[in-house]
Amino acid sequence: EAGVAQSPRYKIIEKRQSVAFWCNPISGHATLYWYQQILGQGPKLLIQFQNNGVVDDSQLPKDRFSAERLKGVDSTLKIQPAKLEDSAVYLCASSSPPGQRPYEQYFGPGTRLTVT
Amino acid sequence: SQQGEEDPQALSIQEGENATMNCSYKTSINNLQWYRQNSGRGLVHLILIRSNEREKHSGRLRVTLDTSKKSSSLLITASRAADTASYFCATVIANNLFFGTGTRLTVIP
Repeated sequence: EAGVAQSPRYKIIEKRQSVAFWCNPISGHATLYWYQQILGQGPKLLIQFQNNGVVDDSQLPKDRFSAERLKGVDSTLKIQPAKLEDSAVYLCASSSPPGQRPYEQYFGPGTRLTVT
Repeated sequence: SQQGEEDPQALSIQEGENATMNCSYKTSINNLQWYRQNSGRGLVHLILIRSNEREKHSGRLRVTLDTSKKSSSLLITASRAADTASYFCATVIANNLFFGTGTRLTVIP
């Protein structure tokens, strides 16, 4: 089966600019996650969607980050305006609905963001 | 913090040797997972151990879990150069993954 797709793979922007990342999960996966991974650290959950509804966005800096998942498939994560500390790899993951190996998440290749 | 903490932070071994990585966590969990991350294949799920299990095997991987000590270990036997990667434990709480900081494993051919 095709994996989780993300684009772009790399992005360099200046601080205070805006940026958007796109994710296409594995077909049929109802749950979608966005993670932020700062260099040298493990991934940190930003937001979780179940279909097109938000399940958990407690770690999302809502003053500058936003995410949506229209039609319960693709998702976009936006940062506006970006700060230097937003430099990280942004990972998208998806998983099956509960009852179907619910805990295993499949990750995309990530988008490496550099804010200068 | 609900993150696991891996130990050691970095490990370098010769090909063919075994590698052991440890993970400690702070809260009660549903299960614990180990993931591998390298530049070629991104973050990949390796193995899951449930909170009522003590040991699990998958190929060259052996995972143990001690819920009384809130710790887990990952053993990779007969290591290969291709095992070079960062390894993360992730605790599962309410269907969410909380990752540790990882162990960077280098296997020298």
